[in-house]
Amino acid sequence: DAQVVESGGGVVRPGGSLRISCAVSGFSLDEHDMNWIRQVPGKGLEWVSSIKWNAGNTNYADSVKGRFTIFRDNAKNSLYLQMNSLRAEDTALYHCARVGDVSGYYLYAFDMWGQGTMVTVSS
Amino acid sequence: QSALTQPASVSGSPGQSITISCTATSSDVGVYNYVSWYQQHPDKAPKLMIYEVTNRPLGVSNRFSGSNSGNTASLTISGLQAEDEADYYCASYTSGSWVFGGGTKLTVL
Repeated sequence: DAQVVESGGGVVRPGGSLRISCAVSGFSLDEHDMNWIRQVPGKGLEWVSSIKWNAGNTNYADSVKGRFTIFRDNAKNSLYLQMNSLRAEDTALYHCARVGDVSGYYLYAFDMWGQGTMVTVSS
Repeated sequence: QSALTQPASVSGSPGQSITISCTATSSDVGVYNYVSWYQQHPDKAPKLMIYEVTNRPLGVSNRFSGSNSGNTASLTISGLQAEDEADYYCASYTSGSWVFGGGTKLTVL
């Protein structure tokens, strides 16, 4: 079955850095745009960043622009999020999510999500 | 503050129908063609229920339907079942980025 699995979360001090990863299986990563979406436990979803299937274009939420970098390695079937200058308000569960594509038809929706990896920013 | 406003909670009895609204509060966030809806049970990953306002992915019950009118999109669940109790989020795509609504907790009485 197709799935995405996040890893790399942990506890980091304010101002620190962390890289989280998303390993995909059961489908070809190079056929899909990918995103990171975060969720403070007990709170709502917040879109963080997106990257086109060929890494040709990236976008970021204003709250992370200039601090976070999304990148991908299609050959390794992996998506990454490099997080620098971390703040307490970045504490959240970070989900990897796939943009759906059905026979070349772009769904403009997230049709596959991982369970997430928890990032805690605390001194 | 989210640019998409949802009611914090809705409730209904088994068998009834409920509707969750999603209203765009910013002029640069539309709810025209690219609204999607997600169901999230506690400690589970979100699940896509509706995409592009009205379309259901394969495997999603036809009890779930979507619509929009003006600046408001809606998710309707008919024939409520206990398993529908969950949080529901709308999302909209605009110019390379997405925005989510604040979420609605559905309680099945």
